[in-house]
Amino acid sequence: AQSVTQPDIHITVSEGASLELRCNYSYGATPYLFWYVQSPGQGLQLLLKYFSGDTLVQGIKGFEAEFKRSQSSFNLRKPSVHWSDAAEYFCAVGENDMRFGAGTRLTVKP
Amino acid sequence: NAGVTQTPKFQVLKTGQSMTLQCAQDMNHEYMSWYRQDPGMGLRLIHYSVGAGITDQGEVPNGYNVSRSTTEDFPLRLLSAAPSQTSVYFCASSYQGALGEKLFFGSGTQLSVL
Repeated sequence: AQSVTQPDIHITVSEGASLELRCNYSYGATPYLFWYVQSPGQGLQLLLKYFSGDTLVQGIKGFEAEFKRSQSSFNLRKPSVHWSDAAEYFCAVGENDMRFGAGTRLTVKP
Repeated sequence: NAGVTQTPKFQVLKTGQSMTLQCAQDMNHEYMSWYRQDPGMGLRLIHYSVGAGITDQGEVPNGYNVSRSTTEDFPLRLLSAAPSQTSVYFCASSYQGALGEKLFFGSGTQLSVL
């Protein structure tokens, strides 16, 4: 069965600094990959997704992610973090039986 | 549009009680699913449905039942609640599963089992 690992439970970055959140997956075929964000007390919002084609995908709020098949990774990046980006970020893989990682909580320092 | 509506928002149960968490969507989505979210464990899929009359188990189905008699509704039943089922439950829907479309999430139900 597919699975997702997010190695970093909590990351703290300064506002304006760059960000990279790691995601590794296990999947038997071509993966369908997603990044979602959850603000406190809120539901999840899709940031971006990868199904095929260009391995660098652009999402909302200035986020991007790169699919690397050789490393089974789908890391999320943002060049300059804003205080409003503080939230929990989830990587997910799969189709109908979609699996989420445990999440990475992002704290942004002023 | 209301999107995905979950009721109730909060619920406290005693061990052994039964209850149903309601989920309804008004987007004519074929795919619906239930997740539970626990600290440090992310979201885990309980059950999902790809259309009326079709349901399937996810990662953690034990202790939960579902049915899908209409496209709009996908209730989650706890037959005999246990403290281990204390969690936040999210219902989600999409037009065609995860393929090509994002999941729309409800606002969640916080369940405590004493």
